[in-house]
Amino acid sequence: EAQVTQNPRYLITVTGKKLTVTCSQNMNHEYMSWYRQDPGLGLRQIYYSMNVEVTDKGDVPEGYKVSRKEKRNFPLILESPSPNQTSLYFCASSLVPGNPFLEQYFGPGTRLTVT
Amino acid sequence: QKEVEQNSGPLSVPEGAIASLNCTYSDRGSQSFFWYRQYSGKSPELIMSIYSNGDKEDGRFTAQLNKASQYVSLLIRDSQPSDSATYLCAVVNSGAGSYQLTFGKGTKLSVIP
Repeated sequence: EAQVTQNPRYLITVTGKKLTVTCSQNMNHEYMSWYRQDPGLGLRQIYYSMNVEVTDKGDVPEGYKVSRKEKRNFPLILESPSPNQTSLYFCASSLVPGNPFLEQYFGPGTRLTVT
Repeated sequence: QKEVEQNSGPLSVPEGAIASLNCTYSDRGSQSFFWYRQYSGKSPELIMSIYSNGDKEDGRFTAQLNKASQYVSLLIRDSQPSDSATYLCAVVNSGAGSYQLTFGKGTKLSVIP
């Protein structure tokens, strides 16, 4: 089954404790992206990757890191999480190189709470 | 700062009516436009894409684009209770080999049986 998977789905952690949210897709997509969704602020792009070893900042990259060492995986790293990073996070991927968003598939989401 | 504006709603329509959702964007260089549907607690789902001025129809959905007015809309005909969701407008800005996607905050649609 074609899908984007995220782990964990729910995470409660404390300020400053490094964490990684994994994202994996089995569709051989070139484009992958991370978003966060907050009430009243909508869905905002954190980082995206056009292909392996190619990443770029979205609208809200501060406090996050990403890496793209393999085509299928695009982990999101929070080196020192803070309460303002409490949010719902989505990973997404897309196949069509000419227009990355034409068939963008979203993962199920990761709800992160930082206390 | 690229902005995408939508009325937050809620927009309430009776079952069988036409629901009209609107979106404006600030970057005149925007090239691609999308509508996503998101049910509460779920991930966004792409329902329409549009790239050229005019209308694009897919089943009960019609997307309309007017680049001169920087306006994109979504019409849902014969609205059903299952259409009740939040609809997100998204705009792509591309250049120098990079692609950035900006979402509006969404319009919550409620279809009343």
